[in-house]
Amino acid sequence: DGGITQSPKYLFRKEGQNVTLSCEQNLNHDAMYWYRQDPGQGLRLIYYSQIVNDFQKGDIAEGYSVSREKKESFPLTVTSAQKNPTAFYLCASSTGVPSYNEQFFGPGTRLTVL
Amino acid sequence: KNEVEQSPQNLTAQEGEFITINCSYSVGISALHWLQQHPGGGIVSLFMLSSGKKKHGRLIATINIQEKHSSLHITASHPRDSAVYICAVCYGGSQGNLIFGKGTKLSVKP
Repeated sequence: DGGITQSPKYLFRKEGQNVTLSCEQNLNHDAMYWYRQDPGQGLRLIYYSQIVNDFQKGDIAEGYSVSREKKESFPLTVTSAQKNPTAFYLCASSTGVPSYNEQFFGPGTRLTVL
Repeated sequence: KNEVEQSPQNLTAQEGEFITINCSYSVGISALHWLQQHPGGGIVSLFMLSSGKKKHGRLIATINIQEKHSSLHITASHPRDSAVYICAVCYGGSQGNLIFGKGTKLSVKP
């Protein structure tokens, strides 16, 4: 089955620790995205990558880092510099830009920083 | 900056009712997406449209480019339609990325 996997579904970390969220897709999509969702707010773009070895900052990139070493994988690291990291994180992918292409979403990771 | 406004924020309906969720945006767009988010958090893409109307089963999405407005209709609603419905738009100033509305939470009672 083709799709996007995110692990783990729930993640707890102590304040001040870096944490890496996994996102893997087997859809052969070029573009991948990381979004953050907070209660009562729309999804906000953290980082996106349109091709391997290249990525761009989204609207709220501060305190986050990513890598895109393989087409299938786009891990997100939440660093200790992120002031309010507790949120629901969604990864998505598409064959190209959303103007012309449907986005496919993973199941999400709920991060709680204690 | 484009703003995406959805209405209503919350909607409760009885099974079988016709549902309409609205989405308005402020600048010209290249595409509009309707998404469905279930209580577990997973999101599914329902429609992507840039003009006219699309239909899939009991779901219908329309867009009026001149009025900068889109609607998502659900006919013969069912409790399994209970979810958050999200409108997202793509426009030139967003480098081809999506700008999301806050969502409409739909609850369909049996």
